[in-house]
Amino acid sequence: SQTIHQWPATLVQPVGSPLSLECTVEGTSNPNLYWYRQAAGRGLQLLFYSVGIGQISSEVPQNLSASRPQDRQFILSSKKLLLSDSGFYLCAWSLRTGGTDTQYFGPGTRLTVL
Amino acid sequence: AQKITQTQPGMFVQEKEAVTLDCTYDTSDPSYGLFWYKQPSSGEMIFLIYQGSYDQQNATEGRYSLNFQKARKSANLVISASQLGDSAMYFCAMRASGGYQKVTFGTGTKLQVIP
Repeated sequence: SQTIHQWPATLVQPVGSPLSLECTVEGTSNPNLYWYRQAAGRGLQLLFYSVGIGQISSEVPQNLSASRPQDRQFILSSKKLLLSDSGFYLCAWSLRTGGTDTQYFGPGTRLTVL
Repeated sequence: AQKITQTQPGMFVQEKEAVTLDCTYDTSDPSYGLFWYKQPSSGEMIFLIYQGSYDQQNATEGRYSLNFQKARKSANLVISASQLGDSAMYFCAMRASGGYQKVTFGTGTKLQVIP
């Protein structure tokens, strides 16, 4: 069966510091991968998605970037965090072809920027 | 453009009763999929149920069923025999065809089950 991991689970960072959040998927190959952000009490905002190694698309202009160095690894980064980057970050995967395109989510990372 | 609307920010239900969470959607795409997710206080988004726009029957998964009314563009989630563990945020989402299968999420409904 497939599993998706995210770490760290919780992170407190000062403004201006760098960020690296990691997401890995097990039990499937060539998945689509996604990064979402959820502000407190709000819905999900899609930040980035990837259909393959090195292929990243951004949904909204922001202080963040994403990379996919391996087929089942997706990394969210920032060079300098802003207060507005605080939130709950969720990684998700879906099958590349066929099926219902259901997205399955990881446990999330709660980021607080002080 | 796709849009998902959940008009109930919060709901209460008595334990063992059934509850319906509303969701309406808007899309011009003839092929689309509708999803419901549960988000407990731990934060993880848990997939519950899926309905395809061409599916003839309403989807069911255990105590969850999706009341799909295509003409009304509604996809309400029905939870039967509510349990205390059903207390959570519930999100409706839609995926239209084409491209990378972008999914649009609603703002969610907070369900609280009362013993």
